[in-house]
Amino acid sequence: KAGVTQTPRYLIKTRGQQVTLSCSPISGHRSVSWYQQTPGQGLQFLFEYFSETQRNKGNFPGRFSGRQFSNSRSEMNVSTLELGDSPLYLCASTRDTGSYEQYFGPGTRLTVT
Amino acid sequence: GEDVEQSLFLSVREGDSSVINCTYTDSSSTYLYWYKQEPGAGLQLLTYIFSNMDMKQDQRLTVLLNKKDKHLSLRIADTQTGDSAIYFCAETSSGGGADGLTFGKGTHLIIQP
Repeated sequence: KAGVTQTPRYLIKTRGQQVTLSCSPISGHRSVSWYQQTPGQGLQFLFEYFSETQRNKGNFPGRFSGRQFSNSRSEMNVSTLELGDSPLYLCASTRDTGSYEQYFGPGTRLTVT
Repeated sequence: GEDVEQSLFLSVREGDSSVINCTYTDSSSTYLYWYKQEPGAGLQLLTYIFSNMDMKQDQRLTVLLNKKDKHLSLRIADTQTGDSAIYFCAETSSGGGADGLTFGKGTHLIIQP
């Protein structure tokens, strides 16, 4: 069974631009979560989607947003990129409510110049 | 808010056992996880334990949970060079991904020949 896939793997953007990242969960998984990983703050929860609905959101500003499609694929958008927005963005998928195993993708490395 | 603490570095000799420790503050933590991250990669789920368990063993991995002290440990028997990575402890109070995982900052496991 294929794992969680994320595209693109690497991205370079300029300050002020926006970016959209994509995550395809493991087949049969309906929950997708997004995390930001930085050397200083570590891994922080951004938001989680289940059946196209955002169920929970971490402590991030409104320029971080996401959505989920009917096939469970999810996208994350960061508008007005700042120089500090150069972490690794990871997504994770879980089968559904009551499942405890979260599987992560390889991440998207975003560099903002 | 909830917090998860880990030592930053652990150095062991090849063939010895490694013990990575983690403490958490959230008394409602129900599921506790260990993830492994190799350079340039995403997170690999190693194992997890429910809060009503004391121990879980899976091949070379042994997880011990002391719920009273909110202390979690991961023991890797017969440590090999391939075990060199960052190990993250994480917790959540609900399954299904809804609440997101709270991660420690990670322990760098260094293997000496």
